[in-house]
Amino acid sequence: NAGVTQTPKFQVLKTGQSMTLQCAQDMNHEYMSWYRQDPGMGLRLIHYSVGAGITDQGEVPNGYNVSRSTTEDFPLRLLSAAPSQTSVYFCASSPRGISSGANVLTFGAGSRLTVL
Amino acid sequence: AQTVTQSQPEMSVQEAETVTLSCTYDTSESNYYLFWYKQPPSRQMILVIRQEAYKQQNATENRFSVNFQKAAKSFSLKISDSQLGDTAMYFCAFPSAPEYGNKLVFGAGTILRVKS
Repeated sequence: NAGVTQTPKFQVLKTGQSMTLQCAQDMNHEYMSWYRQDPGMGLRLIHYSVGAGITDQGEVPNGYNVSRSTTEDFPLRLLSAAPSQTSVYFCASSPRGISSGANVLTFGAGSRLTVL
Repeated sequence: AQTVTQSQPEMSVQEAETVTLSCTYDTSESNYYLFWYKQPPSRQMILVIRQEAYKQQNATENRFSVNFQKAAKSFSLKISDSQLGDTAMYFCAFPSAPEYGNKLVFGAGTILRVKS
């Protein structure tokens, strides 16, 4: 049981390049999300999905795209990387939505992205 | 507003001693969950403990316990018999109300260093 798998673990990009952070979970979770972690700011939600074909914006969505074509996968796309997107990115999933708090998030190992 | 404040950016404790990490939050919800997550140097986010707001009894998980003061909106984490493996960043978090998005709201984190 792999849980939540993120790839790559490290990536260096040049400004303007595009890339995709991959996220896959094998727990049949409906809810998946992407957070970014920056020093002094905790984790902030970028985008989330409550099921295949359904996505919504979080609090810092600009510069990122997501799609959810299957229950298992939730990739995060950077269309034109900027230095402000240098961060650590976490994918996290839960059996269902987390507003009630009854469902606990399972996190991937994180991906460190540096944009030069 | 849905906010979490961790007022201690860094703390240190001697091995085998007890330390308390502070957290205050702001929500207008009447029932909710509160979480403490641990992030060791490996970067993995690990759930330490969870408290449901309507339960008066403070949650306990082995050496970890909370002091939950609902009226004061305070949710501190006590670590007893500190071990070197407790060295990590600790985040306090709670699920936002549905109108604020399907997300966890995180504090900025407290770095805890356990010294031998």
